[in-house]
Amino acid sequence: AQSVTQPDIHITVSEGASLELRCNYSYGATPYLFWYVQSPGQGLQLLLKYFSGDTLVQGIKGFEAEFKRSQSSFNLRKPSVHWSDAAEYFCAVENTGTASKLTFGTGTRLQVTL
Amino acid sequence: SQTIHQWPATLVQPVGSPLSLECTVEGTSNPNLYWYRQAAGRGLQLLFYSVGIGQISSEVPQNLSASRPQDRQFILSSKKLLLSDSGFYLCAWSPQGPPYEQYFGPGTRLTVT
Repeated sequence: AQSVTQPDIHITVSEGASLELRCNYSYGATPYLFWYVQSPGQGLQLLLKYFSGDTLVQGIKGFEAEFKRSQSSFNLRKPSVHWSDAAEYFCAVENTGTASKLTFGTGTRLQVTL
Repeated sequence: SQTIHQWPATLVQPVGSPLSLECTVEGTSNPNLYWYRQAAGRGLQLLFYSVGIGQISSEVPQNLSASRPQDRQFILSSKKLLLSDSGFYLCAWSPQGPPYEQYFGPGTRLTVT
């Protein structure tokens, strides 16, 4: 079965600094991969997705992620973090089969200091 | 464009009372539909999913049930709530084709007292 690991539970960065959130997956074939963001008390918002083609994926809000098959990773990056980026970030991989369920990581909470 | 609605936004219910949470999707047809629960400070737990009207699959045995009476309507129910049912309930939809990305509603905060 597919699995997703987000090794960092909590990360703190200064506003304006660069950000990288790690995500590792376990899957035999080329996966469909996603990053979501959740602000407190709200639903999840899709930041970006990878399913084929260019391994560097651009998303909303200035985020990007790079698919590295050799490392089974799909890390999320942003060159300059804004205070409004403080939230919980979830990586997910699609489970093949009926209804295409997603397997989510446990999330990384991002705190931004001013 | 597609939108997904959930109501109510918040709910406080006593133990043993019934529950009905509703989710509707606009702007798409024949979506896959999902119910998740998120406990405080925890990840997402998939409760139910549906690939079509009347087709419900359960992921976790519990006192909750789900129904899909219409193509774009998904209902989460319980006959008798438990304290452990408290949490943040999220509905999501995905298209039938790849990459099956899911789009989430705003959620319902349920507190069982």
